[in-house]
Amino acid sequence: ETGVTQTPRHLVMGMTNKKSLKCEQHLGHNAMYWYKQSAKKPLELMFVYSLEERVENNSVPSRFSPECPNSSHLFLHLHTLQPEDSALYLCASSQMGEPQYFGPGTRLTVL
Amino acid sequence: GNSVTQMEGPVTLSEEAFLTINCTYTATGYPSLFWYVQYPGEGLQLLLKATKADDKGSNKGFEATYRKETTSFHLEKGSVQVSDSAVYFCALGSSNTGKLIFGQGTTLQVKP
Repeated sequence: ETGVTQTPRHLVMGMTNKKSLKCEQHLGHNAMYWYKQSAKKPLELMFVYSLEERVENNSVPSRFSPECPNSSHLFLHLHTLQPEDSALYLCASSQMGEPQYFGPGTRLTVL
Repeated sequence: GNSVTQMEGPVTLSEEAFLTINCTYTATGYPSLFWYVQYPGEGLQLLLKATKADDKGSNKGFEATYRKETTSFHLEKGSVQVSDSAVYFCALGSSNTGKLIFGQGTTLQVKP
């Protein structure tokens, strides 16, 4: 595998479920990011991890919980989501200060 | 604060037409500027970048020049193909934090 991978690619969940999104980067980068992409809205930066420490949390509701166990892996734990959380969730990685490289995204639908 | 504004789409062109997608920005300091492209069902891919004033980024026939005097970074291509149909995002980045600020995206549709 090369680049940035994300699993699953598609996820349908009920509002009471708990699920996790996974991101893995094979580029040796030291920073990782979660974005939310909703229809007709700009990309929203959710979280930034640099050297496995969270350095940014853009007022994201607590029902989204990130985890970065090492520099290659990033998770987004989901629980008690709302239908308006349905979106494409994109992971990216970079060397700090360099361009970001994106994964293909997870298309999330909350019923 | 920093922001990026792109022209609204969709932009519809015939194959081999000339493309311009406008992007302007407001920023403090000296940010880097990027164009990303998103093909249907995929994530964003870096298309080109420029890190200082008067730099020209280019890739796959696309070009954009970092214009500090007009705070612009317009994307151009001389002859578009059907395979260029995608959503194009202009972005501004901080070299210190790595944070990117994106425009709202412009959809390009190229017809044969």
